[in-house]
Amino acid sequence: DAGVTQSPTHLIKTRGQQVTLRCSPKSGHDTVSWYQQALGQGPQFIFQYYEEEERQRGNFPDRFSGHQFPNYSSELNVNALLLGDSALYLCASSLDKRQFFGPGTRLTVL
Amino acid sequence: GESVGLHLPTLSVQEGDNSIINCAYSNSASDYFIWYKQESGKGPQFIIDIRSNMDKRQGQRVTVLLNKTVKHLSLQIAATQPGDSAVYFCAENIWVGNRDDKIIFGKGTRLHILP
Repeated sequence: DAGVTQSPTHLIKTRGQQVTLRCSPKSGHDTVSWYQQALGQGPQFIFQYYEEEERQRGNFPDRFSGHQFPNYSSELNVNALLLGDSALYLCASSLDKRQFFGPGTRLTVL
Repeated sequence: GESVGLHLPTLSVQEGDNSIINCAYSNSASDYFIWYKQESGKGPQFIIDIRSNMDKRQGQRVTVLLNKTVKHLSLQIAATQPGDSAVYFCAENIWVGNRDDKIIFGKGTRLHILP
C-alpha cells in the first residue's frame, strides 16, 4: 500500500512564474491538506480539500490555490512566485483526524 | 503564518537514556494532538496522537502526556537510540465544525543523540 506521494521532488522557478505541485493521497483517504515549511520552521497550514472543495484555509494569499480531483488527488498552484515562496511543500492525507505526510516538493524560487 | 524562530531548540540525550520533549499549545478548543518526527529531507512522520479527553497514551517506546490545565504536551521516548535523531513537532488539531479541521504545528525540537 503506497503512502502519500508527491511530485515533483524538486523544482526551480524564477520570480513571477507559476508552479503546480501534485499529491496522491494514501489509499482510502479522502481529505488532502497542504503545508508550507520554510527552512528551520514547522509546517504552516495552507488549505485543506475534501469532496473537491476547499474546506479550511490558513493565512496565505490568493496566489495560492488548489484543486482536488474525484480520485482524491490534489494540486497546489502558486502564481506570481516570490523569492519568499521558496520552501518545502508538504501534502498530507487523512480519513479522520490523523494526517499522514508525503515526502514533500522542494521549491526554489530564483 | 505564525512567527517562529530560525533556530530550533536542541535536546541532547545520551544513547540509552530517556528523552522528554515538551510543547506548549495555544488553543483551548484543540481537541486532538499529534507528535511528528521529521528527519532531514523527509516529510513529518506520525509518531503518536492523543485526544483531549485523555491525559496519557502509550505506544512502542513512546508516551504522550497531555495537561489541559496548563496547555502542555510532552513526548517521552524510552531508551533513546541513534535512529531517534530528528526534529520533533507537536501539533494541535483545531476542530471548526463538520469535517473541518486544521492542524497547527509547534516550533519543533531537534533531538541529538550522544554516543
